[in-house]
Amino acid sequence: KQEVTQIPAALSVPEGENLVLNCSFTDSAIYNLQWFRQDPGKGLTSLLLIQSSQREQTSGRLNASLDKSSGRSTLYIAASQPGDSATYLCAVGGGTSGSRLTFGEGTQLTVNP
Amino acid sequence: EPEVTQTPSHQVTQMGQEVILRCVPISNHLYFYWYRQILGQKVEFLVSFYNNEISEKSEIFDDQFSVERPDGSNFTLKIRSTKLEDSAMYFCATGGFAYNEQFFGPGTRLTVL
Repeated sequence: KQEVTQIPAALSVPEGENLVLNCSFTDSAIYNLQWFRQDPGKGLTSLLLIQSSQREQTSGRLNASLDKSSGRSTLYIAASQPGDSATYLCAVGGGTSGSRLTFGEGTQLTVNP
Repeated sequence: EPEVTQTPSHQVTQMGQEVILRCVPISNHLYFYWYRQILGQKVEFLVSFYNNEISEKSEIFDDQFSVERPDGSNFTLKIRSTKLEDSAMYFCATGGFAYNEQFFGPGTRLTVL
């Protein structure tokens, strides 16, 4: 059974800092990995999708990496802003297209002005 | 930009009552999912639906749950006899063929009294 862990559980940084969020998973037979953002009481916004054959994806100030063999992914946020404050969720897709996503518990990020 | 929509946004019901949660997927998406998030807990997979049938379900998705696409566009989750522990945010998600990135709706908050 796939287990996804995210470290740290919470992070508070001053505006402008670069930061890294970590995600690990136990079963390397994944199809893809998605990073999401969740604001309090809201839905999930997809930030980045990495296919199992890819090593990284970039979107604006966000960069996600994937090391499937070691069961790790990182989300790098450059030049953080107060508007980045949210919970960031890592979700791993099962071994085939259309499979379920298994979520971590998230990292709650606060960026202080 | 196309998005997943869900109705209602909030549903309050009495224990033992039936509820139907509705989702309008992104058009041309073929994979449909329901997830739930109990307050303060991880997002959990319930069921996936493809080609008019259930393709995968979790141990949470027992006989009190059912899904269908009644009119070829809407996607519904029915809970036949709600329990207190069914109180959660229920998210619909859809995915296309392009790497199966999943897009989530804003959620329905279900409160069972």
